[in-house]
Amino acid sequence: NAGVMQNPRHLVRRRGQEARLRCSPMKGHSHVYWYRQLPEEGLKFMVYLQKENIIDESGMPKERFSAEFPKEGPSILRIQQVVRGDSAAYFCASSPAGTVTEAFFGQGTRLTVV
Amino acid sequence: DAKTTQPNSMESNEEEPVHLPCNHSTISGTDYIHWYRQLPSQGPEYVIHGLTSNVNNRMASLAIAEDRKSSTLILHRATLRDAAVYYCILRRNQGGKLIFGQGTELSVKP
Repeated sequence: NAGVMQNPRHLVRRRGQEARLRCSPMKGHSHVYWYRQLPEEGLKFMVYLQKENIIDESGMPKERFSAEFPKEGPSILRIQQVVRGDSAAYFCASSPAGTVTEAFFGQGTRLTVV
Repeated sequence: DAKTTQPNSMESNEEEPVHLPCNHSTISGTDYIHWYRQLPSQGPEYVIHGLTSNVNNRMASLAIAEDRKSSTLILHRATLRDAAVYYCILRRNQGGKLIFGQGTELSVKP
């Protein structure tokens, strides 16, 4: 059973471009979480999704950021019109439905905006 | 979400036990105590979790105070690979998001 897969591992974008970060949860996991870690800072919760539903987006910036977790395929975190302040590591985690067992994290996507 | 308080940093010697404390005085009856760690340049990794009783697994032990207002993560023999930031997190019994605080940065000296 493969772990949580995030791609790309590294992404470079110019200011104003769009960034698409993908997360494939572990097999059988229907809950996905996205976190952002700015350089030298802690992990900040962004959004919690289940298949085709956004459960909690209290940590998402109001503009330019969106997330989805379709019925088929990976979860996508989309950042439009990137700015230098978006440079960070973005981590995805997944867990099974309705449990308090561990969440499994991916290795992250490191976004650099130039 | 209930908050946790941890020391910013701790040091340990290799092959000695490490006790990482966490205070969570506002914990509710439905909150589980979770510990994660993050090694440099990696994603967080689950360590252990518990509700009321002490817990052991292959990585660590979790000692929970009787009033549940504090807990201690115990690494029985620290290795250099245990150098990481350790996070103590409260999670509701229905699951849901994990809220990471500042954590404790553990350094291990050879």
